[in-house]
Amino acid sequence: DTEVTQTPKHLVMGMTNKKSLKCEQHMGHRAMYWYKQKAKKPPELMFVYSYEKLSINESVPSRFSPECPNSSLLNLHLHALQPEDSALYLCASSSRTDLYEQYFGPGTRLTVT
Amino acid sequence: EDQVTQSPEALRLQEGESSSLNCSYTVSGLRGLFWYRQDPGKGPEFLFTLYSAGEEKEKERLKATLTKKESFLHITAPKPEDSATYLCAVQAGETSGSRLTFGEGTQLTVNP
Repeated sequence: DTEVTQTPKHLVMGMTNKKSLKCEQHMGHRAMYWYKQKAKKPPELMFVYSYEKLSINESVPSRFSPECPNSSLLNLHLHALQPEDSALYLCASSSRTDLYEQYFGPGTRLTVT
Repeated sequence: EDQVTQSPEALRLQEGESSSLNCSYTVSGLRGLFWYRQDPGKGPEFLFTLYSAGEEKEKERLKATLTKKESFLHITAPKPEDSATYLCAVQAGETSGSRLTFGEGTQLTVNP
């Protein structure tokens, strides 16, 4: 089973709201990722967790705050977002970080109003 | 800087009309090349990993090949359900960690 689940599927939030995106995998993978994808563009890496520790932050604004409570769960906390943050947010996982294929979840479609 | 270029940007085929998608790359030390399929509004679906020139992998109507400068995704006798955006990504260099450099994708449409 190569399933990564994400909730919610859709999220509409105002610029003053606080919300969280959730991601879960039960494949025993020790690397998890957050990506942002705009329409007709490839995914852009935001964060990488390896063995539950943040290993890569691609200079993402602090209004995005990742959290990895355990090896199966990954959260992305959102606060004071801007309309340009509207996008498809994808979670992915891989066995480990190096040279292992990443399996993506279905994504959360985020709209900031 | 690592670069990945996919061509064509868009491709329309008739059902049964075989063709190839191209992914050319300029990287410092290729470590792995990945092909993904993405349907609209969904996450990318992993297809293949290729590690070294000369390597080939097949899955149903798809076959991926790798040379020192490019990879091809051959689609044999495509069906309408093969319509999707196909993404190529590379992992390169000793310091890349888990970063993937993606191409812009090829949007494939297969007409019945």
